Amino acid sequence: GESVGLHLPTLSVQEGDNSIINCAYSNSASDYFIWYKQESGKGPQFIIDIRSNMDKRQGQRVTVLLNKTVKHLSLQIAATQPGDSAVYFCAERNTGGFKTIFGAGTRLFVKA
Amino acid sequence: DVKVTQSSRYLVKRTGEKVFLECVQDMDHENMFWYRQDPGLGLRLIYFSYDVKMKEKGDIPEGYSVSREKKERFSLILESASTNQTSMYLCASSGNRGSNQPQHFGDGTRLSIL
Repeated sequence: GESVGLHLPTLSVQEGDNSIINCAYSNSASDYFIWYKQESGKGPQFIIDIRSNMDKRQGQRVTVLLNKTVKHLSLQIAATQPGDSAVYFCAERNTGGFKTIFGAGTRLFVKA
Repeated sequence: DVKVTQSSRYLVKRTGEKVFLECVQDMDHENMFWYRQDPGLGLRLIYFSYDVKMKEKGDIPEGYSVSREKKERFSLILESASTNQTSMYLCASSGNRGSNQPQHFGDGTRLSIL
């Protein structure tokens, strides 16, 4: 079946460095992509989204890149802080439907 | 900001009990969802609703039912709880179908069935 996956289950970075979290998707019909952050004991929190007619979108310290040719999505976090430590999920959806497919998640550790 | 509130953070019930998990959203969203989250399995969709009194099965509806009597409230019901339903349950809501809007989640209910 179609799925959203992540290349790395864990990522460890030094405080102040940039983090890059990668995600592959397989449904070519997906046209909307979302990144979530989930801290321990909390629900997933929306970070940033991107539509398939874009290849880059920036937020506050975060950038999402979309490469439709290779079906790849990435989340870049600039100047990573201890508060960024969490599990990050990518998700995809076909906006004609209801179903959102979530990746398994990558755990980001930030070393002080 | 969107607020999705789940009535309990932690819940302990016994096998065979009927269990109700409640979720309320304050953004007038049409769509509401129930997921369970288990280590190594990620988020799995149990049921969703796109309107009052409407419901659709997700990927793992067996052993569950739902109720959407009011737009802001979506209830998940475990008809006869079993130990394999011990999990983290997450409620989410989103705007109109066809719109590019993310789902917003509550903080979850960690349910233990003994």
